[in-house]
Amino acid sequence: SQTIHQWPATLVQPVGSPLSLECTVEGTSNPNLYWYRQAAGRGLQLLFYSVGIGQISSEVPQNLSASRPQDRQFILSSKKLLLSDSGFYLCARSPSGRANEQYFGPGTRLTVT
Amino acid sequence: AQSVTQPDIHITVSEGASLELRCNYSYGATPYLFWYVQSPGQGLQLLLKYFSGDTLVQGIKGFEAEFKRSQSSFNLRKPSVHWSDAAEYFCAVGARGGGFKTIFGAGTRLFVKA
Repeated sequence: SQTIHQWPATLVQPVGSPLSLECTVEGTSNPNLYWYRQAAGRGLQLLFYSVGIGQISSEVPQNLSASRPQDRQFILSSKKLLLSDSGFYLCARSPSGRANEQYFGPGTRLTVT
Repeated sequence: AQSVTQPDIHITVSEGASLELRCNYSYGATPYLFWYVQSPGQGLQLLLKYFSGDTLVQGIKGFEAEFKRSQSSFNLRKPSVHWSDAAEYFCAVGARGGGFKTIFGAGTRLFVKA
């Protein structure tokens, strides 16, 4: 089966600290991968997507960055967190060639204090 | 520009009653259309999708949705709601012929009362 893992599930970080969220995918090759952020009571905001190793497209300029060091690994990072970075971060995948049918991981709840 | 509107921020229905969640989209052609469900603190689960063909599509958990081109709508329905259906529901559109972005609506929170 195709599974998406996100780590950690919950994170509390102080303002100005670094961030690294990891997403790993099982059971599929060459997926398209996505990072979304969901603020409390709001919809999904696409942050980054990747169609292959080392290929990252940014949707929203901010202090976050993404990397894809391996085919099934997608990492969201920040050098210095802001209070506004708090939210629920979702990783998603879609099959190569079928970009719009997306499947989501369980999410990471980030609270910046 | 593509957009998705879910006019209802929240809806309350009684258990056993029918449900309809509204979704309107703006797109230059017929898009791919999706409904997702999100339980609190969890990721999104794909309920159903429309790519082409029959405009009434069946999904998981007893949900269905109807694509109406003339109204640019893709409303989600369920004939009898269960308490476990309480969640947030997102309508989404995606581009045909390539492209990697899916546009999500703001969501409709469903409350189910006993």
